[in-house]
Formats: sequence, structure tokens, C-alpha cells
Amino acid sequence: QTVVTQEPSFSVSPGGTVTLTCGLSSGSVSATSHPCWYQQTPGQAPRTLIYNTDIRSSGVPDRFSGSIVGNKAALTITGAQPDDESDYYCVLYMRSGIWVFGGGTKLTVL
Amino acid sequence: EVQLVESGGTLVQPGGSLRLSCAASGFTFSSYWMTWVRQAPGKGLEWVANIKQDGSDKYYVDPVRGRFTISRDNAKNSLYLQMNGLRVDDTAVYYCARAVAGTPVDYWGQGTLVTVSS
Repeated sequence: QTVVTQEPSFSVSPGGTVTLTCGLSSGSVSATSHPCWYQQTPGQAPRTLIYNTDIRSSGVPDRFSGSIVGNKAALTITGAQPDDESDYYCVLYMRSGIWVFGGGTKLTVL
Repeated sequence: EVQLVESGGTLVQPGGSLRLSCAASGFTFSSYWMTWVRQAPGKGLEWVANIKQDGSDKYYVDPVRGRFTISRDNAKNSLYLQMNGLRVDDTAVYYCARAVAGTPVDYWGQGTLVTVSS
């Protein structure tokens, strides 16, 4: 069974830039994986940030950007703010209508 | 404004059944795929199932296939998840979500908690 991999945790300084990644335990992420990114703070429903690799959802600041780097999907936050401290999840399209989420990355801004 | 409001979550015994509902408003419900996503306490997100606009195609994650059934009523702008044979590890917040091309979720509901325990 293919697993979607994310860094368990990451830290960034306020104003800094951080890139979170989303990969596959076997194989490469490509545009046909339709990588998407979601942000979740404790006790809240997730919020959609990026879909179809690099399309920002409505209302998402342009400091959030998505891409594919090498064999992984990437979420880059440029000019990190304290409010960006959250859990970040990616999801990838596998096949035949099936999607799989990664385990999430806990981002600390300090 | 897109709104998705889940209901039906409660405490249920192992082996029991439950039906979750999701009332949609603010968009043309019949034009969108719809998705259920769950999150066990303290854990990550898990895609559970999705359903095509007319209900003709449905897909499930392996652990729920054969036990859960996703359905919809476009006349009532409502999405459902019938859950049978519930297990302790089905305990989670269940989110109703709207899908668009390239993502299983663009809008999320607030979720409803299902607790499976004796």
C-alpha cells in the first residue's frame, strides 16, 4: 500500500521562508497526482490552501504557493507569520477515484 | 456563501449503525462531486468516500468499503453517509466537503463527532 509522506514537524522564524514536502513511499508525485494542501489549527475544521498542484483557494494569501520539486509536491510559505503556526496536510490522487492524505506536518513559527 | 452542515454524530456501540447527514447551501449541489473526510482524535485527516454528481460513481477507502455507503439526494441538497458494523477505530470527527476538479475538497463543513464505544 502506497503511503503519502510528510515531515512530522518543521520550524520557521517569523518572516522566514519554509518549504513543506509531500511524497510517495514508492514512486514520484506528478501533476496527475493533483496535490492539494490544507491548513488546520487545533479545534477547527481544515482550510483549503492549494489545489491541483499550484492553484490558490479563494482568499488564500499569495505567500502560500504550491509546486512540484523533484519527485515531491511542495508547499512554500514566504514571509511566515505567527498565524501560520498550524498543521498542514497534503492529499494525493492515487487512482480510480481514490485520494490519500499524508500524515501532516506540524509547523512552528518561532 | 457555501455552507455545509453535518449532523447525526453521536455515541454508538461497536457493531452498531449510524447515518450522517450533510445539508448543503450556497451553491448548485447537483453540479459537484461530494466527499466525506474523517479525523480520529489527535490524528491526521483520512479521505473516506466520494460520490459523483448524479450518484452513479462512488469510491471508498479500504477500511470502510463494504460497511459504509455514501449517497446523496440532489432534490434535498443533502449528502449522507450510512455507517454499519461500526468499530472503535471509526471514532472520529466526520467532515462533509465539496469537491472540484483537482481536489477532493474545496469547502469543508465544521464536522460531526462519531464515538464508537461500549
